[in-house]
Amino acid sequence: SQTIHQWPATLVQPVGSPLSLECTVEGTSNPNLYWYRQAAGRGLQLLFYSVGIGQISSEVPQNLSASRPQDRQFILSSKKLLLSDSGFYLCAWRGRQFLNTEAFFGQGTRLTVV
Amino acid sequence: EDKVVQSPLSLVVHEGDTVTLNCSYEVTNFRSLLWYKQEKKAPTFLFMLTSSGIEKKSGRLSSILDKKELSSILNITATQTGDSAIYLCAVEASAGNNRKLIWGLGTSLAVNP
Repeated sequence: SQTIHQWPATLVQPVGSPLSLECTVEGTSNPNLYWYRQAAGRGLQLLFYSVGIGQISSEVPQNLSASRPQDRQFILSSKKLLLSDSGFYLCAWRGRQFLNTEAFFGQGTRLTVV
Repeated sequence: EDKVVQSPLSLVVHEGDTVTLNCSYEVTNFRSLLWYKQEKKAPTFLFMLTSSGIEKKSGRLSSILDKKELSSILNITATQTGDSAIYLCAVEASAGNNRKLIWGLGTSLAVNP
């Protein structure tokens, strides 16, 4: 069965420090991968999505970047965190089948920038 | 611009009540509508709806899509405190070769004992 791992669960970082959040998927190949941010228990804002290794699409301009160095690995990064980067970050994957598929989420990372 | 609107944004009920959550959408090239429940961390999948008028049911939860009205409802009967969560609605739309999920802001449901 497919599983998705996201870490760390909680992170407190000072302003101006770098960030690296990692997400890996097991049990599937060539998934579509997504990074979302959720503010204060509200809807999900899509930050990045990837349809393959090295292929990253950014949905909103921001202080963050994403990379996909391997098929089932998706990394969210920042060189210098801002206070406004605080939030709950979720990684998700979806299959590539022609039929509609749901998205499966990791457990999320709660980032607090202080 | 594609958008998904959920209502109400917040709701407080007593155990045993029935609730109806709404999701309306305006998207091009609609493919499906999905409902998720989010308690503390990862949203968990509830339903996927693609055809109008066909109810999907899981225990006390049910959902139906109305493509004519561009909306869906999620019903929860005989609510329990464990139903307290944020309920998220997402609509999948296709744009060229890409398929994207557009998310609503969610409905925060609190069920009081």
